[in-house]
Amino acid sequence: EPEVTQTPSHQVTQMGQEVILRCVPISNHLYFYWYRQILGQKVEFLVSFYNNEISEKSEIFDDQFSVERPDGSNFTLKIRSTKLEDSAMYFCASQGGTGQFFGPGTRLTVL
Amino acid sequence: GQNIDQPTEMTATEGAIVQINCTYQTSGFNGLFWYQQHAGEAPTFLSYNVLDGLEEKGRFSSFLSRSKGYSYLLLKELQMKDSASYLCAVRDPYGQNFVFGPGTRLSVLP
Repeated sequence: EPEVTQTPSHQVTQMGQEVILRCVPISNHLYFYWYRQILGQKVEFLVSFYNNEISEKSEIFDDQFSVERPDGSNFTLKIRSTKLEDSAMYFCASQGGTGQFFGPGTRLTVL
Repeated sequence: GQNIDQPTEMTATEGAIVQINCTYQTSGFNGLFWYQQHAGEAPTFLSYNVLDGLEEKGRFSSFLSRSKGYSYLLLKELQMKDSASYLCAVRDPYGQNFVFGPGTRLSVLP
């Protein structure tokens, strides 16, 4: 069964450094998403992406964040200058038909 | 604004039936989604309602009343592996923004 994959599973970085989180959505899906979940808190929407452009973004998704679909399969989230409060699980998801399917997540730890 | 409420925790017995409620007040609506999330794992899609009524999927059913801003997830024949958090999420009609509720942590006891 097709699934969303994410790499790396865990990323440790120093405050102020740039990180790129990678995702491979399900191949025939058209909508892609990034979410984050701070430990013990609810899932928060960051951004949705459709037809090679951002469809919607939340207040969290400020100028430090960007997304790209550099080729036909990868979908990336870049955080330009990480802050301590960016430490969280970051989930990629893709949607096809009526279902939205999450990847396993990347745990980002900012020191 | 967007506001989604769910009970924080519930406990039920193996083999029983449990109903997890979700109420929402949102500026728009284009579907309500239910997910299961085990600790330390990603959410797993369970069901989706866009019209009023009951959607059944094996041991899981989800109900929606748009006029009341209310949904529930019904789990039958509970198993120990059903111990998890259950997340309710509303999709807005203008884009593809999903707003998640805080989740309900369900504990299934033997």
